[in-house]
Parts: sequence; C-alpha cells; structure tokens
Amino acid sequence: GEDVEQSLFLSVREGDSSVINCTYTDSSSTYLYWYKQEPGAGLQLLTYIFSNMDMKQDQRLTVLLNKKDKHLSLRIADTQTGDSAIYFCAEINKNFGNEKLTFGTGTRLTIIP
Amino acid sequence: EPEVTQTPSHQVTQMGQEVILRCVPISNHLYFYWYRQILGQKVEFLVSFYNNEISEKSEIFDDQFSVERPDGSNFTLKIRSTKLEDSAMYFCASSPTGTSGEQFFGPGTRLTVL
Repeated sequence: GEDVEQSLFLSVREGDSSVINCTYTDSSSTYLYWYKQEPGAGLQLLTYIFSNMDMKQDQRLTVLLNKKDKHLSLRIADTQTGDSAIYFCAEINKNFGNEKLTFGTGTRLTIIP
Repeated sequence: EPEVTQTPSHQVTQMGQEVILRCVPISNHLYFYWYRQILGQKVEFLVSFYNNEISEKSEIFDDQFSVERPDGSNFTLKIRSTKLEDSAMYFCASSPTGTSGEQFFGPGTRLTVL
C-alpha cells in the first residue's frame, strides 16, 4: 500500500530557513499536502501541490516536488518561534475516486533562539 | 474564517461502552471524513462520507464503527463497544468538493478507554 515517510525531528535557528523532507511510494499520487499541528490543536492545511507541478510558493513557504524521486519538501524562510509545530506530509491518489489522505509520521520542528 | 468543530475535546469511557464523537463540518462542504491518531503513530484514515453514504472505508472501520449525518450540520462517529486499542485522537475533516482533495480538519477528540 501507499507509504509516506518523514524524519522525526528538525532543529533550526530563528531566522534561518527550515527544510522539511518527505518521501512517498505511490507514483500515482495526485496531490501532496503539508499540514501543521500545533500543541493541542488540529491539523492546519498549510499548502498543497498538484502532481504535475514542480514548485509552489506561498509567502514564506516553498514546496518542491521531485516526482521522479518521489520526494517532497517544504521550505520555510525566515523561521520564527511561531513555526514550532509538527509538520505532516500527506498524499492522495484521486485517480480511482480515492478519498483518503495517507500521512507521514510528522516532523517536529524546534526553533532555537 | 469557518472551521470544523468537534465535541467533546476529551472523552473517557470504560471498555465495552458505546461512545459518540461529534463534529460540525464547514457549512458548505459536501465531503466528510474521520481519521484517528494513536499516540506516537501516524494519522490513519477511517472513513469518508458523501451524499449521505459511506464512499470509502479502511480495514480499521469494522462493524464496531458507524457514521451518521443526523441533520444538516452534524457528523458523528459511533463506536459501539469500545476496546482499549480504540484509545486515540479522532479527527473529523470536511472538504468542499473532493476534487482537489483539500481537507480541513477539526481540533480532534481525545478518546481514552479504560
């Protein structure tokens, strides 16, 4: 079945860029997503990318997709303390009317002052 | 900004009891979902619901589970006879069209089965 993998932890100095990586196995993934989870809160949709795109930029967030290597990354520019959270990569395959998101384990981003 | 809400935030129950977790999806959304996250594990899909019926379910969603949209606003998940391994955070999500797959999540209900 589909699988999505992420490293568990990332520490970054305030003001630096954070790069969170994700790999997935389903070559037919249609959309790939990044969700943010702050302590005690739900999953906040940050951004998503369609599988025929290589890059998407939204303010401080840049998503890069390497479809050949099945690798997705999220770059957060000028990382702030408010960016501390768990970041989940997820994918969906809409080709067969599939409705389910498959999530990675989440990467806990810690900001060092 | 409209958001998905869930009640209660924390539910404690005894093994074998029935629980109902409640969700109010975003009002103009048409697709509804339940996911769960056991502590330390991945977020897992349980079920999707569209046009008043289940459109997809995972192998986790066995006969102990059921979903219902009893009125125009609520979406519920019922677990008939809870087991210890049902302890998890349960997330409800909704989507406007299902086309781009954008799913908006609620804050979750933490279910503890004793």
